[in-house]
Amino acid sequence: AQSVTQLGSHVSVSEGALVLLRCNYSSSVPPYLFWYVQYPNQGLQLLLKYTSAATLVKGINGFEAEFKKSETSFHLTKPSAHMRDAAEYFCAVSDPPGAGSYQLTFGKGTKLSVIP
Amino acid sequence: GAVVSQHPSWVICKSGTSVKIECRSLDFQATTMFWYRQFPKQSLMLMATSNEGSKATYEQGVEKDKFLINHASLTLSTLTVTSAHPEDSSFYICSAPGTGIGVNTEAFFGQGTRLTVV
Repeated sequence: AQSVTQLGSHVSVSEGALVLLRCNYSSSVPPYLFWYVQYPNQGLQLLLKYTSAATLVKGINGFEAEFKKSETSFHLTKPSAHMRDAAEYFCAVSDPPGAGSYQLTFGKGTKLSVIP
Repeated sequence: GAVVSQHPSWVICKSGTSVKIECRSLDFQATTMFWYRQFPKQSLMLMATSNEGSKATYEQGVEKDKFLINHASLTLSTLTVTSAHPEDSSFYICSAPGTGIGVNTEAFFGQGTRLTVV
């Protein structure tokens, strides 16, 4: 069984400050990992994904995440926060191809607030 | 890129009526669609998996007679909330999985439907 834990349901940062959203996973097979962003009353937009290639993954809007197998982590970072980054962020895990059904298991989400 | 279109984006209905939500894959064929429910300030909870040409698979605790899922074609899946009650008010999101081949490893999400039952 897979699971995802996002530490901190709410994170506040000042505009221009570093953004760090934490995600730890549990999986019986090498996982695929994703970060999604959700704006109010909208669906989810993919920020980035790890699919067993490079461990440091760069995504859209200046976000990146590093897969650390030893720590079972996939934390999301951005060097400098913008007001438009304020949203809900979800970490998700799925089985790799051939190992499962591509079904995503989501963390509980982290709401990011950016203070002007 | 692949696009999933979900309609309506919001709907208000009276208690006891039924509401249909459509999810279409616009530029690819989706043999599988996932339906999620999201309560305020909570994560997405998988309700069911619809499969084209076969019955949907429901997660534990989800009433299949209340949440009717039909996967009529390779581009359309529908979720019908029957005899809706205020506790069914929620945000419903559909998703089509990537193929897992090459770069298509992500899931594509609809815009979501805000259902309010009064």
